[in-house]
Amino acid sequence: QVQLVQSGAEVKKPGASVTVSCQASGYRFISYYMHWVRQAPGQGLEWLGVINPSDGSTTYAQGLQGRVTMTTDTSTSTVYMELSSLRSEDTAVYYCAREWDLFSTNDFWGQGTLVAVSS
Amino acid sequence: DIQMTQSPSSLSASVGDRITITCRASQSISTYFSWYQQKRGRAPKLLIYGATRLQNGVPSRFSGSGSGTDFTLTISGLQPEDVATYYCQQTYTGPQTFGQGTKVEI
Repeated sequence: QVQLVQSGAEVKKPGASVTVSCQASGYRFISYYMHWVRQAPGQGLEWLGVINPSDGSTTYAQGLQGRVTMTTDTSTSTVYMELSSLRSEDTAVYYCAREWDLFSTNDFWGQGTLVAVSS
Repeated sequence: DIQMTQSPSSLSASVGDRITITCRASQSISTYFSWYQQKRGRAPKLLIYGATRLQNGVPSRFSGSGSGTDFTLTISGLQPEDVATYYCQQTYTGPQTFGQGTKVEI
């Protein structure tokens, strides 16, 4: 069965960087794009970007350009999302979500990773 | 970016009620449209994709309709386990965008 397992919670200081991982299993990893979505406390869902695991090509949300980097390791079926120059507003739960090619919907989601930014 | 506007932002209903949540896109998105259910402390779960197609394993009391700019999620016979926040999403063009959510209580 399809599973997306994310790394554990992180606490970071402002200005630092954080990397969240998402390990996929149960399907052919390079065949499906992977998206990252975050949710600030009590808020809605915000799309961060997408990576194509087959060639590493990426598209990022305009508001995060220059601070977010998504990479992939096909040997371990893992995607990574690095966010730099962290601010308190980056405190959120970060999710990876597989894109299903039928209507480009997100059919499977990771369990979420809390990133807390605090001095 | 395409804006998605959901209504209402919250609602309270009784077990067995039929409830409807609507979502409007700022431009036509054909049927590149999904509904998600998010329970407290959990990841979103896909309910409906392609505006009307029920994801495998989702109870048949959930249904979706619409195309273009106006979409609806209906729960026919609300159950206690349906307490959650529901989000709409467009994946037609540009960055995928979500509605602000509808909190459903009993």
